[in-house]
Parts: sequence; structure tokens; C-alpha cells
Amino acid sequence: SQKIEQNSEALNIQEGKTATLTCNYTNYSPAYLQWYRQDPGRGPVFLLLIRENEKEKRKERLKVTFDTTLKQSLFHITASQPADSATYLCALVYNFNKFYFGSGTKLNVKP
Amino acid sequence: DADVTQTPRNRITKTGKRIMLECSQTKGHDRMYWYRQDPGLGLRLIYYSFDVKDINKGEISDGYSVSRQAQAKFSLSLESAIPNQTALYFCATRSTKGPDNEQFFGPGTRLTVL
Repeated sequence: SQKIEQNSEALNIQEGKTATLTCNYTNYSPAYLQWYRQDPGRGPVFLLLIRENEKEKRKERLKVTFDTTLKQSLFHITASQPADSATYLCALVYNFNKFYFGSGTKLNVKP
Repeated sequence: DADVTQTPRNRITKTGKRIMLECSQTKGHDRMYWYRQDPGLGLRLIYYSFDVKDINKGEISDGYSVSRQAQAKFSLSLESAIPNQTALYFCATRSTKGPDNEQFFGPGTRLTVL
């Protein structure tokens, strides 16, 4: 089965800095990869999608890259704010139907 | 009103009891999913349904069953609950028409099996 690795240690950064989160996977590359945000006690919320033939995607302060050679996606939040503090999950999607989620990385943005 | 609702939000039960978790959606999506979330393991797919007549097992279906009563309703049952089924359970929906194929999650049900 697919193995997805996200840093289990929390990422602590200062407000205003860029946060970079990593999602690594084994086996074959997915059709596309998604990033979700999850706040405590709530369900995940979709943020961004990037397809296997795309290198980079941007949405406001968010940027996602996808390197199928390295089998890695990076998720960046620029000019981070305390309100960005949450757990971020990556999801690999195969055949447009099978979703595999990582365990998430907790981001703490300190004022 | 929330688009995806789950009931109950919290449930404590005993080993061997039958439990049903319910999910309803007003988004009009045809695809619905049940996941469980455990610390350090992420979200794992239990069952998914593409429509009322199409139900599929996910990664960890043993010990669970589902029923798709209507397009808007998808329930998860634990026939005989055991302690290692203690987890946070999420229902999700998905449309096949949008550009991003994202899933929309409910607020979750925290289940504790004693």
C-alpha cells in the first residue's frame, strides 16, 4: 500500500516567516495531490490541488510544488500569521477515486 | 446550516455493543466516504460509495458495515464494538464536477469503546 510521510514533529515559526511543510511518498506517483487544513475538533478543509504534470501552484499566500522524481510535495505559507496555526494534511489521489492521507504536520505560528 | 452533518458528535459505548454513526449532506454530491483518524496514523478509509447502489470497501473495512439509504445519507455501523475502534470518525462527500475533486468533511464523531 502507499506510504505517505509528513513530519510528525510540530513546526514552530515566527509570525511573518515562511512555513514549509513536506509530504513524501513511496511507490508510484498519484494523478494529483491535495493539501488540507485541519483545526482541533474539526474536519479537514481543502486548500489546494496540484496535478502530476504541474510543478507549482499558487493561491494567495499558499504555494505547492510537486516533484514526481523526488516523490515529494512541498507546501509553503508565506508571511505566516498566528491564524495559520493548524495541522496540515496531504492527500494523494489515484485513479480520481482512491484517496490516501498523510498523518499531518502541526504548524504553530508565534506572534 | 452545515453542508455535511454527523450524529452523534460524541459517543461512549461498551465492548460488544452495536453502534451506528450517521452522516447527512445537503451538497447534492454523489460520492460519500467514511474515515477514521487515529493519532499518528492519519485518515484511513473505511468505506466509500459512488451512489446508492455502489458501495466499496476501503483500506480498513473489517469490523464495519455501511448503508447508503439515499443520496444524502450514509451510515456506518460497528456490529460489535471493540476498544481498538476508539477513534475520531469522519464522513466526507465529493462531487465529480468540480475542478479540484476536493472532499468536504463533516465535523467528526468521537467514539470511545470501553
